[in-house]
Amino acid sequence: QQQVKQSPQSLIVQKGGISIINCAYENTAFDYFPWYQQFPGKGPALLIAIRPDVSEKKEGRFTISFNKSAKQFSLHIMDSQPGDSATYFCAANSGGSYIPTFGRGTSLIVHP
Amino acid sequence: NAGVMQNPRHLVRRRGQEARLRCSPMKGHSHVYWYRQLPEEGLKFMVYLQKENIIDESGMPKERFSAEFPKEGPSILRIQQVVRGDSAAYFCASSPPGGRSGNTIYFGEGSWLTVV
Repeated sequence: QQQVKQSPQSLIVQKGGISIINCAYENTAFDYFPWYQQFPGKGPALLIAIRPDVSEKKEGRFTISFNKSAKQFSLHIMDSQPGDSATYFCAANSGGSYIPTFGRGTSLIVHP
Repeated sequence: NAGVMQNPRHLVRRRGQEARLRCSPMKGHSHVYWYRQLPEEGLKFMVYLQKENIIDESGMPKERFSAEFPKEGPSILRIQQVVRGDSAAYFCASSPPGGRSGNTIYFGEGSWLTVV
């Protein structure tokens, strides 16, 4: 049973384009939604996170959009750069728990 | 995430041997988590530990796998009698004690286990 469903599995974008990764969840107890970025051979690193009391959070070129009623959230990378090429994981925590449940990941390739 | 130290970074074991993976959390962190990552799969939670206590081991295989986080020293993930299916990247993460602190956990750079 996959509690956090992530799509697409892979994504190819041209430099300067917008990368969009979507996630959906079922557990209404989830109350914290982080996104992690992972480069090859490295550990995941927190990129940006949102709580369900806001519908959008922006940090630089990265924006999380959150739709509580639809139980969906997405990551938008504006002006995508080759250096953004990495695997992105959405995740969700519930009830103040530190343990995130991860989506399967999206492999993003940004072509120069 | 450079603050969470894992070693070894790469480990090769023959089938039937034991693998020991070590994790030192970030300074000031007393909660440790182990995740496993298989190719083409996401991060699968294995176990959550605090000093001298296993808090949640719901993701640990029932046999051959064990974890500890002693009062002194690093956390250790131990895999006995390894099989080829154990080949994966094992990530440790840590978080500070108490409170929600944004519910953020910080990952190390992983230990890549190859079973031959």
